Amino acid sequence: DTAVSQTPKYLVTQMGNDKSIKCEQNLGHDTMYWYKQDSKKFLKIMFSYNNKELIINETVPNRFSPKSPDKAHLNLHINSLELGDSAVYFCASSQRTSGATGELFFGEGSRLTVL
Amino acid sequence: AQSVAQPEDQVNVAEGNPLTVKCTYSVSGNPYLFWYVQYPNRGLQFLLKYITGDNLVKGSYGFEAEFNKSQTSFHLKKPSALVSDSALYFCAVSANTGGFKTIFGAGTRLFVKA
Repeated sequence: DTAVSQTPKYLVTQMGNDKSIKCEQNLGHDTMYWYKQDSKKFLKIMFSYNNKELIINETVPNRFSPKSPDKAHLNLHINSLELGDSAVYFCASSQRTSGATGELFFGEGSRLTVL
Repeated sequence: AQSVAQPEDQVNVAEGNPLTVKCTYSVSGNPYLFWYVQYPNRGLQFLLKYITGDNLVKGSYGFEAEFNKSQTSFHLKKPSALVSDSALYFCAVSANTGGFKTIFGAGTRLFVKA
């Protein structure tokens, strides 16, 4: 059973298109995240939801819109794709205990290539 | 603001030798420190964490890390490296003053030669 699963694993698309990535976790965690890993392997947090509420929203272009229909799911929609959006997008989840975040559990990543 | 520094892009070590991957951090407030490993085309996997208590923490696959508050360091160690340890290692920090946002270092690539 995969703990954090993301789909699709690969997306190849043209500039200007819109795409979505879906994420589901079956760990019962209350917090989910989107991270972006660029070609140099830098990991940058984009968004975080705690119990469906947006709690972290980094300086990400508003072409990126996260949605959390329930605490087990977090989706990422990207409008008007640009070449610079090419990256691997990781979903992760964690459990907050006594106000502190625990370790993150990552999905396998979704590699987005914009042509 | 929180930050994490991993001063080495790459660490090379011979199989059977001890390894150290360095990490220093900067936070306001009490740090929560983590190490993760990433194999090619995979997601990150949690190795170990320091929240409070004993400064030496033990984790998966024989790895351990030492929290040093005065030097603001959290170096990853293993007494005897294996070829299969070759991967990309990330140090990460979160803190209550940062809203518990987990920030990652740039990563250190570990090569273990047979």
